[in-house]
Amino acid sequence: EVQLVESGGDLVQPGGSLRLSCAASGFTFSSYWMHWVRQAPGKGLVWVSLISSDGSTTKYADSVKGRFTISRDNAKNTLYLQMNSLRVEDTAVYYCARRGSRGSDGPFYFDQWGQGSLVTVSS
Amino acid sequence: SSELTQDPAVSVALGQTVRITCQGDSLRRYDASWYQQKPGQAPVLVVYGKNNRPSGIPDRFSGSSSGNTVSLTITGAQAEDEADYYCESRDSSGNLLVFGGGTKLTVL
Repeated sequence: EVQLVESGGDLVQPGGSLRLSCAASGFTFSSYWMHWVRQAPGKGLVWVSLISSDGSTTKYADSVKGRFTISRDNAKNTLYLQMNSLRVEDTAVYYCARRGSRGSDGPFYFDQWGQGSLVTVSS
Repeated sequence: SSELTQDPAVSVALGQTVRITCQGDSLRRYDASWYQQKPGQAPVLVVYGKNNRPSGIPDRFSGSSSGNTVSLTITGAQAEDEADYYCESRDSSGNLLVFGGGTKLTVL
């Protein structure tokens, strides 16, 4: 069974740091691009960041660029999101998601999601 | 604001057909996916690409596209289909991803 389990969410003060983890199991983690998606309370889904299967390519939404760093450890089947200089507006449930595809040219889609980890930024 | 635009809310009578739309310039070039999210739960993929459903998704869910608009159609809506629905695709640059603002579907 494919599983993605996030952890690390917490209450943190503005300007603080936090690292989220996403433990993957039930599939060949090193074969998939992985993403982080967040959802502020009562709001919609927002794409945050992606990392290629081998970790060589990373991309970020403008709202987190320069503050967040995505990484992965394929030996540990784990995805990470290091979040620095946190702001109140970063408060959200953070989901890790697996990017699936029907071939190298797509279509592409998020076919597996974790249950989410809540990050609250407040003084 | 999102580069993909969805109606905030749509309603449908039980057993009737409803179409949820998503508009954006990037949709002329890139495929979209649709996700269903119920309160307190993670999103679930319901349709991807031109019109593909993952295993386990009922065939009353279908997708279509025309120009800068993609649509999710539920034919014979059921009470359990009441949820938020999000489209997802590339942004206008093609380099990043973006979600639509979401549509809250109410089944009457």
